[in-house]
Amino acid sequence: AQSVSQHNHHVILSEAASLELGCNYSYGGTVNLFWYVQYPGQHLQLLLKYFSGDPLVKGIKGFEAEFIKSKFSFNLRKPSVQWSDTAEYFCAVEPDNAGNMLTFGGGTRLMVKP
Amino acid sequence: DVKVTQSSRYLVKRTGEKVFLECVQDMDHENMFWYRQDPGLGLRLIYFSYDVKMKEKGDIPEGYSVSREKKERFSLILESASTNQTSMYLCASSPLAGAGTGELFFGEGSRLTVL
Repeated sequence: AQSVSQHNHHVILSEAASLELGCNYSYGGTVNLFWYVQYPGQHLQLLLKYFSGDPLVKGIKGFEAEFIKSKFSFNLRKPSVQWSDTAEYFCAVEPDNAGNMLTFGGGTRLMVKP
Repeated sequence: DVKVTQSSRYLVKRTGEKVFLECVQDMDHENMFWYRQDPGLGLRLIYFSYDVKMKEKGDIPEGYSVSREKKERFSLILESASTNQTSMYLCASSPLAGAGTGELFFGEGSRLTVL
């Protein structure tokens, strides 16, 4: 079975700092990759996804992620964070043709200080 | 916009009680899911359903059952609640695999406390 590791459980940054959240997965086959975000008091929502093609994908609110197949990684980045980015971020993996069966990482809580 | 509605945001139950968590989606999605969310563990899949009256076990089905009598409604049942089932429960839906974007649409969650 596949697994997903998010190495940073808590991250605290000041506004305008750059962000990189790590995500590694274990699965030998083709995968679809996702980052979801949960803002305080809100439901989980999709930030960005990778299915195929360009390994650098751009999502909402200035976020991007890069799929590095050789490293089984899908790290999330943002050049300059804002206070409104304070949230919990979840990486998720879906083996191709698994019918939306996602495996989630443990999440990273990001706090951005104004 | 897709809307996934979970009937109860907060519940407090006693050990041994039967608990029903209801979830309704309004986008005619085939797939529906129940996850539990615990700090540091992320989301873990309890059960999912890809059609009416169909259900499949996820990663942690023990102590839970589900019911899907109508396409739009997916219920999670705790037959005899225990303290280790204190958690946030998230319902999600998605269109048929291959027909959609792979995106899951989540409800706002039901926070269950078992005393």
